This record gives sequence, C-alpha cells and structure tokens, in this order.
Amino acid sequence: RKEVEQDPGPFNVPEGATVAFNCTYSNSASQSFFWYRQDCRKEPKLLMSVYSSGNEDGRFTAQLNRASQYISLLIRDSKLSDSATYLCVVNIAGSGGYQKVTFGTGTKLQVIP
Amino acid sequence: DAGITQSPRHKVTETGTPVTLRCHQTENHRYMYWYRQDPGHGLRLIHYSYGVKDTDKGEVSDGYSVSRSKTEDFLLTLESATSSQTSVYFCAISESSGIGGYTFGSGTRLTVV
Repeated sequence: RKEVEQDPGPFNVPEGATVAFNCTYSNSASQSFFWYRQDCRKEPKLLMSVYSSGNEDGRFTAQLNRASQYISLLIRDSKLSDSATYLCVVNIAGSGGYQKVTFGTGTKLQVIP
Repeated sequence: DAGITQSPRHKVTETGTPVTLRCHQTENHRYMYWYRQDPGHGLRLIHYSYGVKDTDKGEVSDGYSVSRSKTEDFLLTLESATSSQTSVYFCAISESSGIGGYTFGSGTRLTVV
C-alpha cells in the first residue's frame, strides 16, 4: 500500500461547481498535512496546511480525519484558474528532528467553461 | 515569492556524462532538498541538506551526489547520467524540517539521450 494515495482523476467540473478531493495516508503517526497546487509544467506551490480542526481559505476548505486517515480538499465555486493538479503531502517525524515528507501523485482538476 | 532559482532550466546530455544542477536561495533557509518528479511516482526525495556540509540521502539517491558549501547553494550531481535519470528535478527550501511546507524552484528538465 502506498504511503499516500490520491485519485489521479481527472476531475472535469463545470465552472461554479463544488468539487472535493480525498487523500488517504497509511501511517497513523503522520503529524502534519498540506495541500499543494501544481500547474502544468510548473513547480508545486503550497496551497494550504491542514489542521486538525479543519481550516478554510476563501473558497478552499481542508479537513483532516485522523480516525479514517484521510485529508480532504473542498473547492467551492470553481474557477477556470483552479485547473491544476493538487498534491497531498504528509509529514512523519523522523530521527533527529527531521520530518519525512511524502507527496501524493496528485489529483488533476479541469474546470470547464 | 521566495528567492530560489535553479539552473539550468533545461538540459540535454548524453549517457555517461556527468551533470551538475544548481539551486540557489536568497532566503537563508537551513533546509534544502532535491526532488525528482516522474509520471506515476510523484515527487521523490533524492538528497537533502540541513546545513552547510550537512547532507543526507533520500529515497532515490543512487547515482546522485550533492554538495552544500554555502548556505545559499545546493548542487546536485549525476555522476554518470543514465536514461533512467531523465526527469524533472525540483529544488526546495524550508526554514525547518517539513514544518510549514516547502518553497520550490521552477525546476530543471533533464533529458539523457
């Protein structure tokens, strides 16, 4: 089983729609969680951290479910500019203070006019 | 955006030749990382550095070496390039180990022929 798993998609949604992605992780000792956005042929960019209580940034909401070991990203009122690949990232504490960071392979979102 | 630059942006090289990729930061961050990104695999850690002259291996370090002689520069060397090392290479920086997320450079597209 992969440490971090995402549905590769693509998710094709109309403008204005609400879309949600899930990401499952296998290590229950995972400590911190992030969502990154990666545009085609560009570098990943941090979208938001995921906190235990859930957090929101404008149209984006991130949730963490430790019991079921998944995180989610909800995008409301989708814009054409939201078209990208969304990477899930999970950190696990390692030795000497180093955190092992594992990236998912990403979920591709295509917002259609 | 954070000051992190990679060079070259694109490179084509022949099998068996050594190749060095450069990552330069102006943020004075302690941690620097080299990742490769391939379809179906996501981002995989090659090597990382937690200070000047302090480096360690990641999950796909075979065939690669790194050096960090100054805080701002992290070099990745492919000792004898192979076709399996054709990939997109990303450098990343962080203030602390994984906490708070990474900032990535724009990437280097390397083709080994």
